[in-house]
Amino acid sequence: DGGITQSPKYLFRKEGQNVTLSCEQNLNHDAMYWYRQDPGQGLRLIYYSQIVNDFQKGDIAEGYSVSREKKESFPLTVTSAQKNPTAFYLCASSIGGGQSETQYFGPGTRLLVL
Amino acid sequence: GIQVEQSPPDLILQEGANSTLRCNFSDSVNNLQWFHQNPWGQLINLFYIPSGTKQNGRLSATTVATERYSLLYISSSQTTDSGVYFCAVFKSGGGADGLTFGKGTHLIIQP
Repeated sequence: DGGITQSPKYLFRKEGQNVTLSCEQNLNHDAMYWYRQDPGQGLRLIYYSQIVNDFQKGDIAEGYSVSREKKESFPLTVTSAQKNPTAFYLCASSIGGGQSETQYFGPGTRLLVL
Repeated sequence: GIQVEQSPPDLILQEGANSTLRCNFSDSVNNLQWFHQNPWGQLINLFYIPSGTKQNGRLSATTVATERYSLLYISSSQTTDSGVYFCAVFKSGGGADGLTFGKGTHLIIQP
């Protein structure tokens, strides 16, 4: 089946620890995105990648880092510099990065700080 | 940046009722999507509708781009329609490009 997978489903982070969230897609999409959702809120853009080896900061990139070494993979690292990381993280992809493209979302990862 | 406002924030209906959800946006857009977020958090694409009207079963959507609003209609509601409905528009330029989301309408359909 084609789609977007995220792992793990739940992730616990200790103070001062970096953690990495996985996002994989087999839709052959060029563009991939990371969003953060806080309770009762809409999603906010963290990072965006339109093509392999290229990515751009979104509205709330501080404390996060990404890489795009392969077309199908776009991992997100939550660093210790992110002071309030508890949230629901959603990865998305689209055929291209243009504004007329439909974005499709993965099932999400819930990150909790211990 | 572009602002997206959704109304109402909460809506409780009986099964079988019809509903209209509204999305207002502050600037012209070339991309507007409606999503349904189920209780497990999965975002499900409902419509890609930057303008015009589309229908899919009991759901339909209309976007009037010149007046900067979109409406989502749900007819003959079922309990499985419960969840949060998001409107999102595409913001481009000035850095990363991605969707800007409203805060959503939380819909509860009671049996």
